[in-house]
Amino acid sequence: DIQMTQSPSSLSASVGDRVTITCRASQGIGNNLAWYQQKPGKAPKRLIYAASRLHSGVPSRFRGSASGTEFTLTISSLQPEDFATYFCLQHNDYQYTFGQGTTLDIK
Amino acid sequence: EVQLVESGGGLVQPGGSLRVSCAASGFIFSDYSMNWVRQAPGKGLEWISFISNSSTVIFYADSVKGRFTVSRDNAERSLYLQMNSLRDEDTAVYYCACGSYLGQGTLVTVSS
Repeated sequence: DIQMTQSPSSLSASVGDRVTITCRASQGIGNNLAWYQQKPGKAPKRLIYAASRLHSGVPSRFRGSASGTEFTLTISSLQPEDFATYFCLQHNDYQYTFGQGTTLDIK
Repeated sequence: EVQLVESGGGLVQPGGSLRVSCAASGFIFSDYSMNWVRQAPGKGLEWISFISNSSTVIFYADSVKGRFTVSRDNAERSLYLQMNSLRDEDTAVYYCACGSYLGQGTLVTVSS
């Protein structure tokens, strides 16, 4: 199965900061990667699909990019509502795999 | 807009059974394979089952193989997961998934 290695596992930042989260796939997955945001007790919310496409209604401060098997989520200017857990999902293979998650909290 | 709405979760005793469902809308359900994934409390997500669009190809994670059965009804645009011989460690929120879409989940709690 395809392994997704996500880093960092946690991140402290301030409102207005720019942050970057990375997922690395153990083999090629094309652009079959999505980024999700999850808050405690809530369902995950899709932010990015096809590695770099912004889901409808998601603020443009969220950006996804890809280079080979490395995928990056960048939040350009953190807002208070952005403090949450983020994870990647690969769906290139029938056996979905997920990044371990990055918990973003307020410094 | 794609919508995946799960239902059927609840409290069940160890060894018991439960069937959860997923109602799909906003896309041609019969054209797409579907998946079930789950998230145990405080844990990451885990893929547990795949079913092809025509139900001819089915896969399970080792953790549920032999206990869970996935099925679908394309006429009803619905996906199902029959869960038997439930264990404490099956306690999780169960999500259906299509491509990069996840539903909102249904909570299954296995406890005596």
